Amino acid sequence: NAGVTQTPKFQVLKTGQSMTLQCAQDMNHNSMYWYRQDPGMGLRLIYYSASEGTTDKGEVPNGYNVSRLNKREFSLRLESAAPSQTSVYFCASSEAGGPWGNTIYFGEGSWLTVV
Amino acid sequence: GQSLEQPSEVTAVEGAIVQINCTYQTSGFYGLSWYQQHDGGAPTFLSYNALDGLEETGRFSSFLSRSDSYGYLLLQELQMKDSASYFCAVRRDDKIIFGKGTRLHILP
Repeated sequence: NAGVTQTPKFQVLKTGQSMTLQCAQDMNHNSMYWYRQDPGMGLRLIYYSASEGTTDKGEVPNGYNVSRLNKREFSLRLESAAPSQTSVYFCASSEAGGPWGNTIYFGEGSWLTVV
Repeated sequence: GQSLEQPSEVTAVEGAIVQINCTYQTSGFYGLSWYQQHDGGAPTFLSYNALDGLEETGRFSSFLSRSDSYGYLLLQELQMKDSASYFCAVRRDDKIIFGKGTRLHILP
């Protein structure tokens, strides 16, 4: 039972380079999320997708773009990486609503360093 | 908007009981959730309270008071493996927003 799978797990980028973080879930969830985690800052929402075909900005969207490719996949793109984007990135998914919509399942994280 | 406040660190002794508090301000409220995260790992779901009162799951309990915009996570019979960060979270519309987390240190 894979759950939420994200790749790559580790990546080093040079300033200005671009890259895409991939995420897929096999739980048939409607909602998917991208968070970043920095020391002392908790988990901050970058973008989310409430359902296939929709995406919305979260708390810290600047410098990122997302694509909800289909119900399973939600990718995060850094067009021109900056050192401030050095962080751990988590993809997550959940049911759309009701009490189960409050439980989200996380991928294992992607450690990104921008030099 | 929404904000969640929780202590940054808490220290307790193995075998004891510890309470981690969370206060929230949010327009629109669907319930309070708690997540656990060990170093180097991903957050995992612990509990969810939609209504006032106490929810118990083994050694862990979670409490919610909607009138006070306040909740807490109670950990009993602390074990060294409970050393982790704990996050409260609220759902607003289609978004789930997290607090900054409480680092729990457990002393032998």
